[in-house]
Amino acid sequence: AQKVTQAQTEISVVEKEDVTLDCVYETRDTTYYLFWYKQPPSGELVFLIRRNSFDEQNEISGRYSWNFQKSTSSFNFTITASQVVDSAVYFCALRSNTGKLIFGQGTTLQVKP
Amino acid sequence: DVKVTQSSRYLVKRTGEKVFLECVQDMDHENMFWYRQDPGLGLRLIYFSYDVKMKEKGDIPEGYSVSREKKERFSLILESASTNQTSMYLCASRFTGTQTYGYTFGSGTRLTVV
Repeated sequence: AQKVTQAQTEISVVEKEDVTLDCVYETRDTTYYLFWYKQPPSGELVFLIRRNSFDEQNEISGRYSWNFQKSTSSFNFTITASQVVDSAVYFCALRSNTGKLIFGQGTTLQVKP
Repeated sequence: DVKVTQSSRYLVKRTGEKVFLECVQDMDHENMFWYRQDPGLGLRLIYFSYDVKMKEKGDIPEGYSVSREKKERFSLILESASTNQTSMYLCASRFTGTQTYGYTFGSGTRLTVV
């Protein structure tokens, strides 16, 4: 079975705090892709990152960084020095070998000024 | 930029009505998907289509059907709307020739069935 779990339903931080969003996945595929999407109040899903199963290098993009660990089946997302504009729902997703995207439950991040 | 357009942002329908949700993409993508989003459940796949006139059931197809007569358009049909189909519906498309971004999503249709 393929599954994505985001155990944190809601997180609230104060601006400039660092925050990590957890993502744990299950799959039997040897080749797979993991994604993070941001959903601001406007509703549209915004692509943040894609990582394939052969690339375990961590990635940093500005204040965003991602930690992919196959050994623990985790793909965690960290926002450094959070800002109010980071407030959104964040989804982790797994692409199955049929091309379907399987989503986690989502984590609502609220960044307070 | 690839665009995925969903015809309605908000929709209110009555129980028992037949409802059509339309999705159009402008970049010749082969794959198209319909998801519904509910709080605490994330996005769940209703139906997807690999190409024109092809369709596959997703995880929660009951109460829904789809139509893909043209490559750019993927319609989700609620044959007889019920209150438990009140939800946010998101359409997505994907070009199979690249792995770069993969999926482009529309802005969603928030459907309320009364």
